[in-house]
Amino acid sequence: DAKTTQPNSMESNEEEPVHLPCNHSTISGTDYIHWYRQLPSQGPEYVIHGLTSNVNNRMASLAIAEDRKSSTLILHRATLRDAAVYYCILRDSDYGGSQGNLIFGKGTKLSVKP
Amino acid sequence: DAGITQSPRYKITETGRQVTLMCHQTWSHSYMFWYRQDLGHGLRLIYYSAAADITDKGEVPDGYVVSRSKTENFPLTLESATRSQTSVYFCASSHRVDQPQHFGDGTRLSIL
Repeated sequence: DAKTTQPNSMESNEEEPVHLPCNHSTISGTDYIHWYRQLPSQGPEYVIHGLTSNVNNRMASLAIAEDRKSSTLILHRATLRDAAVYYCILRDSDYGGSQGNLIFGKGTKLSVKP
Repeated sequence: DAGITQSPRYKITETGRQVTLMCHQTWSHSYMFWYRQDLGHGLRLIYYSAAADITDKGEVPDGYVVSRSKTENFPLTLESATRSQTSVYFCASSHRVDQPQHFGDGTRLSIL
């Protein structure tokens, strides 16, 4: 599976936007970009995913570079509840015999200051 | 309540004992997964299941056994627990293999 690179940690102020970057220079044409987050003492939680176009949902926005070698998860107004580890994961849409499991890296630990 | 639940939340046991971690989902999702999370390794897949009575190994299956007699349940058994299996275990499910996975809150297992 293609690898992703994320900063180890980031800080944000409450109620300000947060841009979490992810580099995936070896992404293939069939790889979707998925984002999950994990709050302290909880299981990972799906945030958003996309292929080529930018995506929005109630939790966040996903901006994908034109060459797809990088993407950015955008939290429009960070709250204290957004403090978590955010994982950027590539998933091949052409699964074939794959089990479709998620391969988690170390993610970005986001701290939100009041 | 709808969702995915794991039990127990915490478990302490001794080396050599058998222990079973339970996972139950109410969405009738076809796919279910077991991961373990250790410091420095992130989450790693132990076993997965594509449907009732269909299971397959993931990245780190040694020492674990799973079954899936009913769609909603996917228990994970450590037949003879070892200290290296001390970890946090997460169960997840998804409707299709390419759909987002929904995770339980995890079981923190300590083996003394």
